[in-house]
Amino acid sequence: SQTIHQWPATLVQPVGSPLSLECTVEGTSNPNLYWYRQAAGRGLQLLFYSVGIGQISSEVPQNLSASRPQDRQFILSSKKLLLSDSGFYLCAWSVLGGYEQFFGPGTRLTVL
Amino acid sequence: AQSVTQLDSHVSVSEGTPVLLRCNYSSSYSPSLFWYVQHPNKGLQLLLKYTSAATLVKGINGFEAEFKKSETSFHLTKPSAHMSDAAEYFCVVSDPYSGGYQKVTFGTGTKLQVIP
Repeated sequence: SQTIHQWPATLVQPVGSPLSLECTVEGTSNPNLYWYRQAAGRGLQLLFYSVGIGQISSEVPQNLSASRPQDRQFILSSKKLLLSDSGFYLCAWSVLGGYEQFFGPGTRLTVL
Repeated sequence: AQSVTQLDSHVSVSEGTPVLLRCNYSSSYSPSLFWYVQHPNKGLQLLLKYTSAATLVKGINGFEAEFKKSETSFHLTKPSAHMSDAAEYFCVVSDPYSGGYQKVTFGTGTKLQVIP
């Protein structure tokens, strides 16, 4: 069966510090991968998606970036965090051509 | 362009009474529709999905939803609420597969409170 992991589960970082969140998927090959952010009281906002290694598309311009160094690994990064980057970050995957997405447990990021 | 509107940001029901969470969508194509549930500080779990088969869709934990094209609705229901149903629910619409990427749009969520 397929599983998706995210770490860390929680993170508290000062403004201006770097960020690296990791997501890995097990039990499937060539998944589509997604990063979402969920701010307090708001819905989910798609940040990045990837259809293959090294292929990243950004939905919202911001100070975040994403990379996919391996087929089942997706990394969300920032060089300098802003207060507005606080939120709940969710990674998801889907099969190529599939209709539904499967979500990881999320990372709670607090920027102080 | 596709969009989804969840008509209630909060719904409160008593334990054992029916649940109705409302969702309306807009899509230029024949959409796929989903309901997800999110418990506090957890990821999203798929409850059920509609992908152009039967219009009445049954999901996990006793939930079901009916796709009504004429009303562009996909409301989520459950005959009898349980305390464990207290969570946030998201309605999601998906465009058809295009270019390897499944574009989905999430509603803003409905928080369900279940009163003992």
